Amino acid sequence: RKEVEQDPGPFNVPEGATVAFNCTYSNSASQSFFWYRQDCRKEPKLLMSVYSSGNEDGRFTAQLNRASQYISLLIRDSKLSDSATYLCVVFLLKTDSWGKLQFGAGTQVVVTP
Amino acid sequence: NAGVTQTPKFRVLKTGQSMTLLCAQDMNHEYMYWYRQDPGMGLRLIHYSVGEGTTAKGEVPDGYNVSRLKKQNFLLGLESAAPSQTSVYFCASSWGPAGSYTFGSGTRLTVV
Repeated sequence: RKEVEQDPGPFNVPEGATVAFNCTYSNSASQSFFWYRQDCRKEPKLLMSVYSSGNEDGRFTAQLNRASQYISLLIRDSKLSDSATYLCVVFLLKTDSWGKLQFGAGTQVVVTP
Repeated sequence: NAGVTQTPKFRVLKTGQSMTLLCAQDMNHEYMYWYRQDPGMGLRLIHYSVGEGTTAKGEVPDGYNVSRLKKQNFLLGLESAAPSQTSVYFCASSWGPAGSYTFGSGTRLTVV
């Protein structure tokens, strides 16, 4: 089982619509959560951190459900420029004081005119 | 701000050849990482470094070596390239192990 699982999509979204997708993680001891965005053939870039109480950044809303071990990302009023692959990222602190980010394979979002 | 710079951007190798990928960061980050990205598999950690002079193995270290002689540079070496090492390689750096990683623009490597 993958440590971080995402629906690969694509999610085809009309411009102006809302799209939401989830990511599940396997280790209940995971401590921090993030969404990264990756444009085609480009490097990943941090989109937002995900806090326990949920948080918004403009048109983007992230939620964390520790009981069910998933995080979600919602995009409102989708823009053509939102077309990208969204990577779910989970941080787990290991016992040797080293922690690592675990990346999901990504969910592709395609916003259409 | 250059951020993280990777060279080269593209490379084609023949099986058995060697090469070194260079990563340079100008943000004074302690932590540096090498990842590979393959379709449907997400980013997988090859090696990482928690400071100048240190290196450690990640999830998929076999066939790769690294060095961090200077804080700003992290080199990834392939001693004898194999077709299975065809991938996109990303270098990243950060202040600490969690949080915001800054990635380089990637190296697209094909081994034939």
